Amino acid sequence: KNEVEQSPQNLTAQEGEFITINCSYSVGISALHWLQQHPGGGIVSLFMLSSGKKKHGRLIATINIQEKHSSLHITASHPRDSAVYICAVNAGGTSYGKLTFGQGTILTVHP
Amino acid sequence: DGGITQSPKYLFRKEGQNVTLSCEQNLNHDAMYWYRQDPGQGLRLIYYSQIVNDFQKGDIAEGYSVSREKKESFPLTVTSAQKNPTAFYLCASRMGPQPQHFGDGTRLSIL
Repeated sequence: KNEVEQSPQNLTAQEGEFITINCSYSVGISALHWLQQHPGGGIVSLFMLSSGKKKHGRLIATINIQEKHSSLHITASHPRDSAVYICAVNAGGTSYGKLTFGQGTILTVHP
Repeated sequence: DGGITQSPKYLFRKEGQNVTLSCEQNLNHDAMYWYRQDPGQGLRLIYYSQIVNDFQKGDIAEGYSVSREKKESFPLTVTSAQKNPTAFYLCASRMGPQPQHFGDGTRLSIL
């Protein structure tokens, strides 16, 4: 079993829909990251969080430390949101910033 | 604008050849990382470096080598000992506890 599991692996939505991507992890962490990978391959960091909730535009990330679970929500989805969304964690105790990655969720938003 | 530059974007290697992937950053970040991405799998850490002239093996270092002679540069050599080198390679850098910044990646294929 992977230390970081994402669901679903593939997600198709119509423009305007509310989207949720889930991430569960099995290790103690110091931080959790949500990343966005564009079709060309480049990766952008969306959120880094260790507790609670963060919001940026139409994106919302939440984390429940006790349940070892995080969600990424996209409100009013748009075709430009189509990308791979990756959850990654900094395992607690590592000082060099090592990230353990989920396998990614492929999101396709149709007009 | 500061960022990470990976070159080339596409690279082809013949059997038995070594190839070097370039990673340059002008963010003044101390730590740099190399990841490998295979279809359907999460990114995996190859090597990382926290300071100049020092680097450590990651989870899948066999068949790879790196150097860190300058703060801004962290080249990765894929040697002939790497039996399955076809993959997407991502370089990242980080300052302190901040999120990692990623390059746009290099796609390596075997001829």
